[in-house]
Amino acid sequence: EAQVTQNPRYLITVTGKKLTVTCSQNMNHEYMSWYRQDPGLGLRQIYYSMNVEVTDKGDVPEGYKVSRKEKRNFPLILESPSPNQTSLYFCASRMDRGEYSPLHFGNGTRLTVT
Amino acid sequence: RKEVEQDPGPFNVPEGATVAFNCTYSNSASQSFFWYRQDCRKEPKLLMSVYSSGNEDGRFTAQLNRASQYISLLIRDSKLSDSATYLCVVARGGGNKLTFGTGTQLKVEL
Repeated sequence: EAQVTQNPRYLITVTGKKLTVTCSQNMNHEYMSWYRQDPGLGLRQIYYSMNVEVTDKGDVPEGYKVSRKEKRNFPLILESPSPNQTSLYFCASRMDRGEYSPLHFGNGTRLTVT
Repeated sequence: RKEVEQDPGPFNVPEGATVAFNCTYSNSASQSFFWYRQDCRKEPKLLMSVYSSGNEDGRFTAQLNRASQYISLLIRDSKLSDSATYLCVVARGGGNKLTFGTGTQLKVEL
C-alpha cells in the first residue's frame, strides 16, 4: 500500500531532550516536506526537500533540523525541544516537483513538550 | 495580514444544500492552488486542484480569480459525509513552498 509513515504517533518529552520524528514514504517521491499544525494558525511549512541531499527552509524552520540521506526517509530533528514546539506534525511527500501533484500526508505526530 | 485567509466558520447547513467557501491570498507570485479536506485530527487529503479556467469534480466546483486573488469552492447537494474542515492551499516557488489557510469548518446536518 502506497503510504507515508510517521513515527511515533504520540510523543511526550521534556524541554531540552533531543528527539527525532521519522518519516518514510514508499512511493519513490522526490519531494518531501514537514508541517506543524496549531489552532488558529493552520499548517505551516517547516522544511522541504526536493531530492536527496537537497533541503530548504519553509516558513517556520527555527528550532528544527532535517536530513535527506535517502530518497524514502526525511526525519525531523528537534535538538533542544521547547514547550512552544508542542504541536501536531505532519510529513508529506509528492511525486516529482510538478506543481499540481497532490501531497500525500502521513497520519501525524502529536508532540507535547513539558 | 495573513498570506492565505479563510472564513473559519463553522458553516452549518442542511443535507442537500449548496454551500460556497472563499479564500483570498495576498502573494501575487502564487502559482498553483488547491483545496484539501481534513477530518477531525486526521491528515489532510487533496480534494481538488484549482485551475485558471475553473474545474468541476462531481458535486464540487473550484474557481480561481487571479485579478482579485481569491479562489472558491462550491459544494452542491451536500452530504453528511462532507462534514469536515476545508483547507485552501496556495503554492509558489515552483510549487515547493506551500501556504495553508486555517480552514473553513463545514457541518452538514439532517
